[in-house]
Amino acid sequence: QKEVEQNSGPLSVPEGAIASLNCTYSDRVSQSFFWYRQYSGKSPELIMSIYSNGDKEDGRFTAQLNKASQYVSLLIRDSQPSDSATYLCAVSTYSSASKIIFGSGTRLSIRP
Amino acid sequence: GAVVSQHPSWVICKSGTSVKIECRSLDFQATTMFWYRQFPKQSLMLMATSNEGSKATYEQGVEKDKFLINHASLTLSTLTVTSAHPEDSSFYICSAREEGAWDTEAFFGQGTRLTVV
Repeated sequence: QKEVEQNSGPLSVPEGAIASLNCTYSDRVSQSFFWYRQYSGKSPELIMSIYSNGDKEDGRFTAQLNKASQYVSLLIRDSQPSDSATYLCAVSTYSSASKIIFGSGTRLSIRP
Repeated sequence: GAVVSQHPSWVICKSGTSVKIECRSLDFQATTMFWYRQFPKQSLMLMATSNEGSKATYEQGVEKDKFLINHASLTLSTLTVTSAHPEDSSFYICSAREEGAWDTEAFFGQGTRLTVV
């Protein structure tokens, strides 16, 4: 079982709709969770970080964490074509010596 | 967010030669830096964790004698691809975390696209 799992997509969403990206992780002691966005040929950029159960909102983005279910998600409201990218879920656990483990990423395509 | 600078952004080298890639944290001190490799349409693969003042920790399957990592200061880590071959052609990306911030996000450099001919 992979440590961090994501649906590879592509996920196609119409412009203006809500895009929902999901991620599960296997290590129960994971404590820090991140969503990165990566455009083709570029390095990842941080969108959100979340550390406690519940929702965290930042502009059009909302991260949701459920540690009991070992599940983290990212919602993108009012999707724009510029949101088309690969979204990487990442998890960090103190027990893994501060290593950040990435999922394989979900390709999101926003259709006009 | 914090700035991580990676150099060069792209490099072409001949098979058999060595290439050095630099990763610098510009406005913070990084005890730990990470080196990733990414092949086209694939995910980031962690190659090694670079620790300031000590030996790097390599992931399983990554040859430490081929990918030499040096983290001599709190702001600089280097990755040297030795005796490069065409199959080493890839996108190499570094990231860094602030000193003591084991649970916060890592910031990425711009990446280095290596082509071995």
